[in-house]
Amino acid sequence: EVQLVQSGAEVKKPGESLKISCKGSGYSFTSYWIAWVRQMPGKGLEWMGLIYPGDSDTRYSLSFRGQVTISADKSISTAYLQWSSLKASDTATYYCARHGSGVASSIDYWGQGTLVTVSS
Amino acid sequence: QSVLTQPPSVSGAPGQRVTISCTGSSSNIGAGYDVHWYQQLPGTAPKLLIYGNSNRPSGVPDRFSGSTSGTSASLAISGLQAEDEADYYCQSYDTSLSGTQVFGTGTKVTVL
Repeated sequence: EVQLVQSGAEVKKPGESLKISCKGSGYSFTSYWIAWVRQMPGKGLEWMGLIYPGDSDTRYSLSFRGQVTISADKSISTAYLQWSSLKASDTATYYCARHGSGVASSIDYWGQGTLVTVSS
Repeated sequence: QSVLTQPPSVSGAPGQRVTISCTGSSSNIGAGYDVHWYQQLPGTAPKLLIYGNSNRPSGVPDRFSGSTSGTSASLAISGLQAEDEADYYCQSYDTSLSGTQVFGTGTKVTVL
């Protein structure tokens, strides 16, 4: 069974750093793109970027380039999303998700989401 | 802001048919890139509803159907049921955004 299990909810202060994780299981982690999707409270889905764990090829939406870093450790089948300096506007639920086959394909599996709250 | 535009809301009575549009451009839907649709129930992760413009994953009822025409796509829900009340998003690939995916603005479906 394919599963994407994300790390737990986080409460941080503005200016702090953060790295959240997404562990894949039940499939060949290195063979599928993993994307990150933001959903701000009460708002829609925003595609942030994705990584191909097999060779670490990474692409970012223009809106998120330079704001976050996407990485992966294929030895432990885990992808990461990190911030160096959080802002209150980063408060959102973040989903990791697997693209079926190819960067333009649909997302066939989703993580359960990680709620990140940034507040002073 | 998204390059795929959806109506904020649509509604219908049980049993009726509703459609949700997803308007794009020549750099995404109009370029022939596939459109995918997701359903998000309150408090849950999105779920794949339609992939490759018109294909249903296993387990998705045939009440849901997708189509494309030119620079737009549509999701139709026939025989509307109370459990269909949710948010729906289209998604496609866009070459104007450094070659990345993009979601539509989202549509809330209300069952009257």
